[in-house]
Amino acid sequence: QQPVQSPQAVILREGEDAVINCSSSKALYSVHWYRQKHGEAPVFLMILLKGGEQKGHDKISASFNEKKQQSSLYLTASQLSYSGTYFCGYNAGNMLTFGGGTRLMVKP
Amino acid sequence: ETGVTQSPTHLIKTRGQQVTLRCSSQSGHNTVSWYQQALGQGPQFIFQYYREEENGRGNFPPRFSGLQFPNYSSELNVNALELDDSALYLCASSLTSAGTDTQYFGPGTRLTVL
Repeated sequence: QQPVQSPQAVILREGEDAVINCSSSKALYSVHWYRQKHGEAPVFLMILLKGGEQKGHDKISASFNEKKQQSSLYLTASQLSYSGTYFCGYNAGNMLTFGGGTRLMVKP
Repeated sequence: ETGVTQSPTHLIKTRGQQVTLRCSSQSGHNTVSWYQQALGQGPQFIFQYYREEENGRGNFPPRFSGLQFPNYSSELNVNALELDDSALYLCASSLTSAGTDTQYFGPGTRLTVL
C-alpha cells in the first residue's frame, strides 16, 4: 500500500512557505523525498531515518514522526526553481514505495 | 563521477513485441532498482538487482525480467508488450541494497506501445 501525500497540489508565490505531508500505514525504516520536474528524473532531496538522523539538502528540512509513521517536508522562502512534483517514498525493506506526488507551482 | 545513464531515451513498440532497456549504474554502486512511472503517478517498484542477483520484486508479472552484469549495469526486459506498459521506465542505483541508502535515478526511457 502506497503512502498518502497531501496536499495533492499547491500554488505559491515566490517567498512563501509550504508543507507537504506523507503518511503510511506500514512501519518504516526510512522516508525518502524526491522532486521531479516535468520530463526529468526524480532528484534526491532528503532521507529521514529511524532515530532522527537526516541526510540531504541544506535548504530543505523535513521531519519524521516514527510513532505516527508520518513525514513532512518543509519548503521555506520558496523559489521559482522549487516548482515540480514532490514524492515521498517509504522503505520498509529493500524497496521504495512512492506516494502519488504533490504538484507544487511557484509563481513570481 | 558519472551519474546513472539509460538507453534508449525513447522507444516505440507495437503490442506483443519484446523490448530491452539498459541502465548503467553510478560508479561504485552495486545495486540497481527499476521503476515504472505512468503519466501523473509516482514510480512503481519493479525489481532490484544486487550483485547480479534479483533482490526483491514488486507486483509485476513474470514477463518483466532483468539482468545485472559484473560491472553492475542492468537490463530490463519486457515480453509480450501490452498497451498499459506505455510509461517512463526509471532505473536507480545505490551504493548498497540497504534501505537507508540514497537511490540516484537515471533520466528514464519513455516507452510507447501502440
